[in-house]
Amino acid sequence: DIVMTQSPDSLAVSLGERATINCKSSQSVLHSSNNESSLGWYQQKPGQPPKLLIYWASTRESGVPDRFSGSGSGTDFTLTISSLQAEDVAVYYCQQYYSTPCTFGQGTKLEI
Amino acid sequence: VQLVQSGAEVKKPGASVKVSCQASGYSFNSYGISWVRQAPGQGLEWMGWISGDNANTEYAQNLQGRVTMTTDTSTSTAYMELRSLTSDDTAVYYCARGAGVDPICYWGQGTLVTVSS
Repeated sequence: DIVMTQSPDSLAVSLGERATINCKSSQSVLHSSNNESSLGWYQQKPGQPPKLLIYWASTRESGVPDRFSGSGSGTDFTLTISSLQAEDVAVYYCQQYYSTPCTFGQGTKLEI
Repeated sequence: VQLVQSGAEVKKPGASVKVSCQASGYSFNSYGISWVRQAPGQGLEWMGWISGDNANTEYAQNLQGRVTMTTDTSTSTAYMELRSLTSDDTAVYYCARGAGVDPICYWGQGTLVTVSS
C-alpha cells in the first residue's frame, strides 16, 4: 500500500497569512501516460464529510476559492492557502488515488 | 448528485451492521461507490468499492472476510455490511462516488455506527 505522510500534524496561522501543508507519498503517484499525479486534497470541518479541493495535484475543484492551490509531482506535494480566512479552519487530508487501496494522509489540523 | 445514507446504528460486539446509500442525480450504473470510514477523532480509511452494476468489488485487505458491498440497481442503492463487529469498528461510515482510483467529488452525509456492549 502507498503510505501518505503529511506535515505538520497541526498548524496555526494568522488571518490573512499563508498556510502551507506538505504531503509525501511512499512511492510515485505520477502517471507516465498523461504526466499527471493522482493526488487530491480535501478539507473536512467538524460533523461534515470531506470536501474535495484539489485533484490531479493542482487542479482546483469547481467552486473552490482561488486562495487554495496545489503543487508538486511524483512523491512530494503541497497545499497552499494564500491568505487564510476564518472559514478555512479545518482538517486537511491528502489522498492518493493512483492505486487501490487509495490511501489518505493522517490529516493536518489548521487553526487560527 | 446526492448520496443519502441510512441512520445511526448501535450494535453489540459480534453483531453485524448494514448501511445503505441511495444515489440520485446521475447514472448509477456508470460509477462505482466507495466506502470510507472515520473512527472518532481519527483519519480516513478506505474500505473498498463496488461498481454500480454490482459486477466488480474490491475490499481493503484488513477487512477481507468481514465486509460485503452490494448494490441494487433498481433503487440506485449501495449497501455495506460489516460483520463480527468490535469496538474498533466504531466510526462514521461514508459512501462516496468513485472506484478508489478517482478523486472523490461526492460524499454521503455519513452514518455513525457505535459498537458497545
